[in-house]
Amino acid sequence: GQQLNQSPQSMFIQEGEDVSMNCTSSSIFNTWLWYKQDPGEGPVLLIALYKAGELTSNGRLTAQFGITRKDSFLNISASIPSDVGIYFCAGRLYMEYGNKLVFGAGTILRVKS
Amino acid sequence: DTEVTQTPKHLVMGMTNKKSLKCEQHMGHRAMYWYKQKAKKPPELMFVYSYEKLSINESVPSRFSPECPNSSLLNLHLHALQPEDSALYLCASSYYIGTSEAFFGQGTRLTVV
Repeated sequence: GQQLNQSPQSMFIQEGEDVSMNCTSSSIFNTWLWYKQDPGEGPVLLIALYKAGELTSNGRLTAQFGITRKDSFLNISASIPSDVGIYFCAGRLYMEYGNKLVFGAGTILRVKS
Repeated sequence: DTEVTQTPKHLVMGMTNKKSLKCEQHMGHRAMYWYKQKAKKPPELMFVYSYEKLSINESVPSRFSPECPNSSLLNLHLHALQPEDSALYLCASSYYIGTSEAFFGQGTRLTVV
């Protein structure tokens, strides 16, 4: 079942506003990733986080790996129309038989121009 | 080259048909993945290949049959599918199975009629 809780489920904001979304889990993750997916396309990797407390930026995007390793947030500053899409957080979960990416349910972002 | 290429982009097939989805990457990645994604849902892991060997099968029905002929190619053979199997099928790759950053292809939009 789903092990990452992503919120909000959807957002409708004005162009130019800042956006914040986050993921939490009861499990500890060693890596957090943030992806964006446009309709009909595959997810595109935005930011990868590897250390607890790490804060990483990619242009207008900033993401942080929570100190407890159980959460992460993504901020988008000064949103523009092309920011529209679904944003997924993902964490790498290590298990007995290997490891896999676990995805959050996604945040749908809609921007009013 | 940071691309994962999937063909075809769209596929419509009958429940008695046999078809194959193809995925190719030339990044030297040794881990390749198949995911299934329903509309507005996160990707769900189906199979993981590591060094051309099947590493993880997430209890996927046998009507889906993966194949990794070499380190650059990954196929998904489809036979006797059901309408509920209609979805976006995504291929992804990463340097190794333990590497966090996975890069996705554009996906194949499959419709089973």
